[in-house]
Amino acid sequence: KQEVTQIPAALSVPEGENLVLNCSFTDSAIYNLQWFRQDPGKGLTSLLLIQSSQREQTSGRLNASLDKSSGRSTLYIAASQPGDSATYLCAVNPLSGNTPLVFGKGTRLSVIA
Amino acid sequence: GAGVSQSPSNKVTEKGKDVELRCDPISGHTALYWYRQSLGQGLEFLIYFQGNSAPDKSGLPSDRFSAERTGGSVSTLTIQRTQQEDSAVYLCATAWQGGSNTGELFFGEGSRLTVL
Repeated sequence: KQEVTQIPAALSVPEGENLVLNCSFTDSAIYNLQWFRQDPGKGLTSLLLIQSSQREQTSGRLNASLDKSSGRSTLYIAASQPGDSATYLCAVNPLSGNTPLVFGKGTRLSVIA
Repeated sequence: GAGVSQSPSNKVTEKGKDVELRCDPISGHTALYWYRQSLGQGLEFLIYFQGNSAPDKSGLPSDRFSAERTGGSVSTLTIQRTQQEDSAVYLCATAWQGGSNTGELFFGEGSRLTVL
């Protein structure tokens, strides 16, 4: 059974710092991995989708990497801003057919001005 | 529509009443998920519809919960005889599906349910 773990559960950094959020998964047989952001009281917003054949994806100050063989993904945020404060979740799409995505519990990020 | 639409956005009900929550997916999206998120908690998977396949109902917490997806489009989550512990935000998400692979997942804003 696929399990997804995100470490740390919470992180507080000063504005301007570069930071890395971690996501690990137990079964490397995946189609893709997706990173989301959730603001309090809101739904989830898709940030980046990495297919299993890709090593990384970039969008603005965000860069997500995928190392399928070791079961790890990282989300790198450059030059963090207070507006980046949110909960970040990763989800893996298992290769075993007709099974739903598996989510981690998220990392709650606070960027202090 | 441009995004996943959920209604109502807020619902307050009395214990024991039935509620229906609706999800309108992005046009063309064949995979549809329902999740539940209690205050300060992570996502709890409820049910997954994938094309014409039988839905994966493994996450439904009790037989008071059911969901339908009509014509491969709109989905309705029904909670019968609501209990206070059903209070949560119910989130719907949809994606394009090719074969067994599901593409990028998009979420609605959720329906906040409060059971008094």
